[in-house]
Amino acid sequence: GQQVMQIPQYQHVQEGEDFTTYCNSSTTLSNIQWYKQRPGGHPVFLIQLVKSGEVKKQKRLTFQFGEAKKNSSLHITATQTTDVGTYFCAGSLTGNQFYFGTGTSLTVIP
Amino acid sequence: DAGVIQSPRHEVTEMGQEVTLRCKPISGHNSLFWYRQTMMRGLELLIYFNNNVPIDDSGMPEDRFSAKMPNASFSTLKIQPSEPRDSAVYFCASSRLAEETQYFGPGTRLLVL
Repeated sequence: GQQVMQIPQYQHVQEGEDFTTYCNSSTTLSNIQWYKQRPGGHPVFLIQLVKSGEVKKQKRLTFQFGEAKKNSSLHITATQTTDVGTYFCAGSLTGNQFYFGTGTSLTVIP
Repeated sequence: DAGVIQSPRHEVTEMGQEVTLRCKPISGHNSLFWYRQTMMRGLELLIYFNNNVPIDDSGMPEDRFSAKMPNASFSTLKIQPSEPRDSAVYFCASSRLAEETQYFGPGTRLLVL
């Protein structure tokens, strides 16, 4: 079946350091979404990527969709304590059924 | 605008009892999703509806779980009988068919003793 894996599972960084999480699919995706979940909260939509090789930026966050549309990455520059949470990717094959990745839990040490 | 509304926010029950979780999607959204989140399994899709019709329930763990969507503004997820391993956070999410962005509710934290 469809699997979407994320690495690393956990990441601890010093405030100000960069952070990257990677998402890999066993099959080609039609599009991919990224969500952030704060501790005790619910997943909140961040962005959607559709095109092969697409790169989008939101302030210190950079999202990339691989050329083969099988992988994606989220990079945070100069992390802040407000970046703490779990970041999920969610890939779609067709329509609006998304398969969520395993998530990367980010801890930022002040 | 109100987001996705879930009730109750917390539920503590004893093994064997029936549990009913409720969800009101965002008005105008045509798709509704039920997820379960645990430390061990992460975020799992249980079932989703398009225009009130169940499309894929392959994620429903077993026959003890059932979900309904009698109209566009209400859905329930029922567990009968409940077991301790059902303890988890259950999220409901909704989306417009075209936009595909999912908006999650605050979740129901279920503890089965």
